[in-house]
Amino acid sequence: GAVVSQHPSRVICKSGTSVKIECRSLDFQATTMFWYRQFPKQSLMLMVTSNEGSKATYEQGVEKDKFLINHASLTLSTLTVTSAHPEDSSFYICSARPSRGTGELFFGEGSRLTVL
Amino acid sequence: TQLLEQSPQFLSIQEGENLTVYCNSSSVFSSLQWYRQEPGEGPVLLVTVVTGGEVKKLKRLTFQFGDARKDSSLHITAAQPGDTGLYLCAGDETGANNLFFGTGTRLTVIP
Repeated sequence: GAVVSQHPSRVICKSGTSVKIECRSLDFQATTMFWYRQFPKQSLMLMVTSNEGSKATYEQGVEKDKFLINHASLTLSTLTVTSAHPEDSSFYICSARPSRGTGELFFGEGSRLTVL
Repeated sequence: TQLLEQSPQFLSIQEGENLTVYCNSSSVFSSLQWYRQEPGEGPVLLVTVVTGGEVKKLKRLTFQFGDARKDSSLHITAAQPGDTGLYLCAGDETGANNLFFGTGTRLTVIP
């Protein structure tokens, strides 16, 4: 099956710093990638849809200046959490849908962010 | 935002028991997917159902898509500790670019 890789898997940072999380589709091209946030014991909450070559689409309540998206190629999307605060601590997951496929989504392993 | 309600939200059963998880919505989906997620990892796709009334089996797991394509169920026979995890349904709405995820069912199978 298709493989999506996230990096880093865990990151701890100080309050006020920025953190970048990468999402790569290893064996397929993805015009669109999705970023989710997941709180403990809860389902996935879509934050933003990352579109290669165009502006990202943010869900209601998600701050554009807080969560920056760069989708510069068909295999890489990055999420930057700017000026991170403890409330940003969470499990962030990306997914990608192959440009040519059956419409299935493939998920990364997730990145756990802890802001001290 | 489309809402997919899963029930039960939490389920703790003994090894060998059977269980059913339900996924319900008022929206019609072109397809519906089931995922299992383990702590600290991303969701892993179990199955995709496309046709109303479709039934798919994956070893001890049986998935059914409702006739109206608004709901789905997951039945596990003779549950094992390895089945423990968070089960998520996700609906693919025609014309939408994203999947809409259910509220999740956390299953614990006790040895």
